Amino acid sequence: DTEVTQTPKHLVMGMTNKKSLKCEQHMGHRAMYWYKQKAKKPPELMFVYSYEKLSINESVPSRFSPECPNSSLLNLHLHALQPEDSALYLCASSQAGTGGSIFYGYTFGSGTRLTVV
Amino acid sequence: DAKTTQPTSMDCAEGRAANLPCNHSTISGNEYVYWYRQIHSQGPQYIIHGLKNNETNEMASLIITEDRKSSTLILPHATLRDTAVYYCIVSVMAGGTSYGKLTFGQGTILTVHP
Repeated sequence: DTEVTQTPKHLVMGMTNKKSLKCEQHMGHRAMYWYKQKAKKPPELMFVYSYEKLSINESVPSRFSPECPNSSLLNLHLHALQPEDSALYLCASSQAGTGGSIFYGYTFGSGTRLTVV
Repeated sequence: DAKTTQPTSMDCAEGRAANLPCNHSTISGNEYVYWYRQIHSQGPQYIIHGLKNNETNEMASLIITEDRKSSTLILPHATLRDTAVYYCIVSVMAGGTSYGKLTFGQGTILTVHP
């Protein structure tokens, strides 16, 4: 299995709703990432998990809450979002090397298209 | 991480080679050059990466200048399915730990024409 699977593919939610995005990989990757991509813009890094620990939070508002329950799963919990949070949310994973090892490419999922109404 | 500069858009005829340039004049000695592409509404796809030497795989070739300040991604025989946004990224392993940190620039929109 060489894929990153994201569910759902599309999500419409109200500003008072609570929803979760799910990301799963079975490649043995120990680093997982959330990116946000607005229309016609490049992906922007939100969070990085390494060995199930949050390593980077790029000053993301608290209405986005990541969770990594195990080495194969990454969730993004959403609460009280704003319409401007509508975007494509991408999950990615990579091999986590040990000191001095070469960094290999990320594998990205197809994303969840989120619309906040 | 070092910044990259890419042309906003390029055109290529189907079957011809597509040469996509990237400037990264502030690249550090331990930063790699990565290329990704994103076809409309899909996740980015890894293409190739390199440090100093030219690299080739089944998808593309990467030519890095000797001073490492620029590089060129070559798609040897472009097809319509190669129409996408191509991102050139330079990056190190973040903080000496076990993960990377890819920062995407604006990229080049490559359009392959019949």
